[in-house]
Amino acid sequence: GAVVSQHPSRVICKSGTSVKIECRSLDFQATTMFWYRQFPKQSLMLMATSNEGSKATYEQGVEKDKFLINHASLTLSTLTVTSAHPEDSSFYICSASPDSGNTIYFGEGSWLTVV
Amino acid sequence: SQQGEEDPQALSIQEGENATMNCSYKTSINNLQWYRQNSGRGLVHLILIRSNEREKHSGRLRVTLDTSKKSSSLLITASRAADTASYFCATRYSTLTFGKGTMLLVSP
Repeated sequence: GAVVSQHPSRVICKSGTSVKIECRSLDFQATTMFWYRQFPKQSLMLMATSNEGSKATYEQGVEKDKFLINHASLTLSTLTVTSAHPEDSSFYICSASPDSGNTIYFGEGSWLTVV
Repeated sequence: SQQGEEDPQALSIQEGENATMNCSYKTSINNLQWYRQNSGRGLVHLILIRSNEREKHSGRLRVTLDTSKKSSSLLITASRAADTASYFCATRYSTLTFGKGTMLLVSP
């Protein structure tokens, strides 16, 4: 089946620094990628939708300048958490779709801890 | 919000028993999907049921959809300890919106 890879799987960073999480579709071209955030024992909350070559569409309440999303190629999207704060500590999951969201494959997620 | 609501929030059963999880949602959907998540891991897609379908089977999984009641159920038959995980329903209209999940614990 289709594979979506996220890297790193775990990262610890200091408050005030920026951290980048990559999401790659390994065996298909992802026209659309989605970024979710999940707090412990909570549901997945959609943060933003990105289409290759265009600006990401952010969900209400998600700070665009804090969570920078880049979808520069059909196989790679990145989420950069800027000026990280302990409240940004969470599990971030990406998903990718070859057909604008009809078929969706999820990555394994990335644990971010801000200390 | 279209977010689905699963119940129960947590379910504990013995191996061999059946597990039933329910999902309710609020607005129109194109399809409804069920996912599984092992602790601290990504999501695994289990089954998709379209809005014009009422029941679907996949191995030990049986999903029903009642669009008039805006509800779905996931039945796992003959459960195994390896089925221990969180299960989420997700409704699709323009985007995929997840419910809060049911934590299933299957004891040997």
